[in-house]
Amino acid sequence: SAVISQKPSRDICQRGTSLTIQCQVDSQVTMMFWYRQQPGQSLTLIATANQGSEATYESGFVIDKFPISRPNLTFSTLTVSNMSPEDSSIYLCSVRSESPDTQYFGPGTRLTVL
Amino acid sequence: KQEVTQIPAALSVPEGENLVLNCSFTDSAIYNLQWFRQDPGKGLTSLLLIQSSQREQTSGRLNASLDKSSGRSTLYIAASQPGDSATYLCAVRGDSNYQLIWGAGTKLIIKP
Repeated sequence: SAVISQKPSRDICQRGTSLTIQCQVDSQVTMMFWYRQQPGQSLTLIATANQGSEATYESGFVIDKFPISRPNLTFSTLTVSNMSPEDSSIYLCSVRSESPDTQYFGPGTRLTVL
Repeated sequence: KQEVTQIPAALSVPEGENLVLNCSFTDSAIYNLQWFRQDPGKGLTSLLLIQSSQREQTSGRLNASLDKSSGRSTLYIAASQPGDSATYLCAVRGDSNYQLIWGAGTKLIIKP
């Protein structure tokens, strides 16, 4: 299993500012995933963060808005840039285990943009 | 394009009842299906994983079934307890390398 921590756990931010969310895993993993969960909605994958290369973004998400860093195999950051109220969501970091095939999630960062 | 739907969106039942949560998916060509539990401020926890070749999986009071041909999975919770209150999410993986496709979840409240 993997234990994942995220910081901050929650934040209230002003429109137009940026917030960087940190994700720390207790073991080395190849891929880390960033998800967004808007109120009452299912999880949506933002991007896959690979160590040593640029993140792979899903349709509808761009690097300028959600820059991601992956400096080593246990850590990643997601920045939500130039925030608007529509960015108010829970942001979740996740890693995949191959045996058993499951995914582990951090506790999430609850972001409110005013 | 795979779509995952969970019905109902919310459910409230008295403690001790047996209950069933439903998950449906539009493309039956799946690799596996997973049920997760989400508690506020605690992220998601994997409950059960069913491979495409399996029909069901059990863990304690939980039993998940899979019917690929009809595009359905159910999560059965026996003898529900207030501690079972959470949001339950279903997710489907279409291929071993594909991302998970998520349902919107069922918010379950067990009343003491």
